[in-house]
Amino acid sequence: EAGVAQSPRYKIIEKRQSVAFWCNPISGHATLYWYQQILGQGPKLLIQFQNNGVVDDSQLPKDRFSAERLKGVDSTLKIQPAKLEDSAVYLCASSLPGLNTGELFFGEGSRLTVL
Amino acid sequence: GNSVTQMEGPVTLSEEAFLTINCTYTATGYPSLFWYVQYPGEGLQLLLKATKADDKGSNKGFEATYRKETTSFHLEKGSVQVSDSAVYFCALITGTASKLTFGTGTRLQVTL
Repeated sequence: EAGVAQSPRYKIIEKRQSVAFWCNPISGHATLYWYQQILGQGPKLLIQFQNNGVVDDSQLPKDRFSAERLKGVDSTLKIQPAKLEDSAVYLCASSLPGLNTGELFFGEGSRLTVL
Repeated sequence: GNSVTQMEGPVTLSEEAFLTINCTYTATGYPSLFWYVQYPGEGLQLLLKATKADDKGSNKGFEATYRKETTSFHLEKGSVQVSDSAVYFCALITGTASKLTFGTGTRLQVTL
C-alpha cells in the first residue's frame, strides 16, 4: 500500500516569496491534515479536511497561509508571502474516515527554509 | 486546553540499556494517548496507543501504561537497540478537541 506522498522534500526561498506544498494521501483516507513542525517543537495542526470540506483551520494563519483539497483527494498548502518564522517542516497526514481516533499516517514532510 | 509535556532530550543510552521517556498530560475530558516515533529521514508513525485508564499499549518491545491518577503515559523498553534511535513524540486526543496534540519530542540515541 502506498503511503502519504509529499513534494517537494526541500525548499529554500527568500522572505516575501511564495511557496506551495503538495500532498497525496493514502487511497481511501477521507481525512487529511497539514501540520507545521518547527525545529525543537512538536507538530502543530494547521488545517484538517474531511473529504473536501474544512473541519478545523483555527490555527492556520489565514493572512498568509491557504490550503485546498478540491476533489477530496490530494491537497495543496500555500504560503504567500513567506516570513522567516515559517521555516519548518510541513507534514501531511491522512486517516481513515469515521471517528477521529488519533491514528494518523504521515508523509515524510516538506522542509522549508526561509532566508 | 490540552497539553503534553515530555522529558527533554537527547537521551543517550548504550545498547541493551533500559529506556524510560516520561510523558505527562493535561486534558479536558478523557483522552486517548499515543506514542509516535520518527526515524531519521522518515515520517512520523504510530508506535502504540491506549484509550482508557490502566490500558497498556505495546509494540516492538515498547510499552506505556495510561495512568489517570498521575496523568502520565511513560514509554519504556527493557533493552534498546541501535535501530531504536529516533525521536519519540507523546500525543493525546480528546473527543471534544478532536485533534491530536503533540509533545515537543524526545530524541533517543543508542550507541554500541
